[in-house]
Amino acid sequence: AQKVTQAQTEISVVEKEDVTLDCVYETRDTTYYLFWYKQPPSGELVFLIRRNSFDEQNEISGRYSWNFQKSTSSFNFTITASQVVDSAVYFCALSEAGEAAGNKLTFGGGTRVLVKP
Amino acid sequence: SAVISQKPSRDICQRGTSLTIQCQVDSQVTMMFWYRQQPGQSLTLIATANQGSEATYESGFVIDKFPISRPNLTFSTLTVSNMSPEDSSIYLCSVGRRSGQETQYFGPGTRLLVL
Repeated sequence: AQKVTQAQTEISVVEKEDVTLDCVYETRDTTYYLFWYKQPPSGELVFLIRRNSFDEQNEISGRYSWNFQKSTSSFNFTITASQVVDSAVYFCALSEAGEAAGNKLTFGGGTRVLVKP
Repeated sequence: SAVISQKPSRDICQRGTSLTIQCQVDSQVTMMFWYRQQPGQSLTLIATANQGSEATYESGFVIDKFPISRPNLTFSTLTVSNMSPEDSSIYLCSVGRRSGQETQYFGPGTRLLVL
């Protein structure tokens, strides 16, 4: 069975500080997909990134960057120079590939990020 | 990405009643899912809504409590039946264009409070 663990339940930072969110996953499949979603106070879930298991390149998008380490089963997320608008709950998720898996997403417990001005 | 809407956005209901939540997508999608997010918790998959056939439920969720319809490739409903305060949650639908590869995009959610 697949499992996603986000050990940090809440992180509080002051604006302009960097913040790194940890995500560790478990799966028996060799082909799988990893995701990060953002849930602001309004409640909607905003897609941030998808990474497949064969692509270990790290990615940067503006102030966001992701570090995928297959050897340690981790997919960590860093927000550089945080802003108040980054305050939200961030979820890491995993889905196994293939028709049998049915696109089911398994979510981590989420990390609440509070950015103070 | 698809544009997804849900109705109602929020509701307050009395225990013992039922509420039907609608999910509408602006384009045809293969996969539609319903998730529950209890207060302060993560998301849990309730079921996969299959077009033209019965939904596929996850362990711990049953059709009598959460009947689901999916009459076409752009619309689905989730009913929360015989509600109790424990059903107070955010209910979210999500869509994906094809199985196994595509990203899931989520609707804005329905906030349900059961008194």
